[in-house]
Amino acid sequence: GENVEQHPSTLSVQEGDSAVIKCTYSDSASNYFPWYKQELGKRPQLIIDIRSNVGEKKDQRIAVTLNKTAKHFSLHITETQPEDSAVYFCAASKTTAGNKLTFGGGTRVLVKP
Amino acid sequence: DGGITQSPKYLFRKEGQNVTLSCEQNLNHDAMYWYRQDPGQGLRLIYYSQIVNDFQKGDIAEGYSVSREKKESFPLTVTSAQKNPTAFYLCASSAGLAGADTQYFGPGTRLTVL
Repeated sequence: GENVEQHPSTLSVQEGDSAVIKCTYSDSASNYFPWYKQELGKRPQLIIDIRSNVGEKKDQRIAVTLNKTAKHFSLHITETQPEDSAVYFCAASKTTAGNKLTFGGGTRVLVKP
Repeated sequence: DGGITQSPKYLFRKEGQNVTLSCEQNLNHDAMYWYRQDPGQGLRLIYYSQIVNDFQKGDIAEGYSVSREKKESFPLTVTSAQKNPTAFYLCASSAGLAGADTQYFGPGTRLTVL
């Protein structure tokens, strides 16, 4: 089955700097890649997603890039703010397989003021 | 995601007891999912259902059971066969259609075995 690796496990950045989280996946048939943000004790919330027919997607300070050949995708957060501090999860799925998401292990991001 | 509710928020269980976690959605979504989250770890899929009266095992189904008698409801039972049930349980739903596969999560139930 699918395996998703996420790095780094923790990331500390200064407010205003950029943060980058990287994920690799194993199943070349995966075609949907969402990113979730989870604050302590709360539910994961979708922040951005990308499909395999697109190489890059941006939404304000957040962008995701996908390299299908290398089977990796990355989350980029620019101009980080203290409210960006949370755990971020990447995931992958094949939409032909009932959208079973396989999650990475998570990255704890701390934005220092 | 305000259309997905889980209850209770906290649940305490004695060893050997079965407990049932509730998940309800009013989003008219066809697909529903149960995940388990352990401290400092990612989410692992327990069971999922793409349509009423049908469900499939996920990656860690042993010791759990589900039912899907209504579109809105997907309860999860943690049985005494689950050896280490203490965890945060998250329910999710999606429209279930190709291209509309975003999963929305409920607020979660934190289960503790005493």
